[in-house]
Amino acid sequence: KQEVTQIPAALSVPEGENLVLNCSFTDSAIYNLQWFRQDPGKGLTSLLLIQSSQREQTSGRLNASLDKSSGRSTLYIAASQPGDSATYLCAVVDRGSTLGRLYFGRGTQLTVWP
Amino acid sequence: KAGVTQTPRYLIKTRGQQVTLSCSPISGHRSVSWYQQTPGQGLQFLFEYFSETQRNKGNFPGRFSGRQFSNSRSEMNVSTLELGDSALYLCASSPRQGANEQYFGPGTRLTVT
Repeated sequence: KQEVTQIPAALSVPEGENLVLNCSFTDSAIYNLQWFRQDPGKGLTSLLLIQSSQREQTSGRLNASLDKSSGRSTLYIAASQPGDSATYLCAVVDRGSTLGRLYFGRGTQLTVWP
Repeated sequence: KAGVTQTPRYLIKTRGQQVTLSCSPISGHRSVSWYQQTPGQGLQFLFEYFSETQRNKGNFPGRFSGRQFSNSRSEMNVSTLELGDSALYLCASSPRQGANEQYFGPGTRLTVT
């Protein structure tokens, strides 16, 4: 069964810092990996989707990389801002019978203070 | 294009009652998935529907059920509510079944007293 782990569980940094959030998964036979953002009490906002054949994806100040063989992904946030404060979740889709089902990590709660 | 909508947004029910939650996917999306989010268990997959058929089911008791209509709208039902069913229920849609990017709605916050 796929298990997804995110480190650290919480992170508090001053504005302007560059950040790295980590995600690892136990079964490398994935179809894709998706990073989400969740604000308190709200739904999930998709940030980046990386297909298994890709190494990285970029959107604005966000860059996500994928190393499928080692079961790892990182989300890099450049020049962090207080508005980036949220919980960041990564999720993978396995190949096989559960295709389409997302396996989520527990998230990294990020606080960026001015 | 409008996003995924879920109704109601908040719900308070009593133990033993049943509840029905609704999800309208993004226009043109045919796959709808449901997830339960709790502080203790995180996000857990409930089920996925495509073309009015349940394609995948998570490890939840039979009290949790769902369906999808011909217009791709989906409902989930929880019967005989328990305190532990208190959670944020999230719906996600994607254009096709399978490993596409999934788009989530704002969720329904269910509180069971």
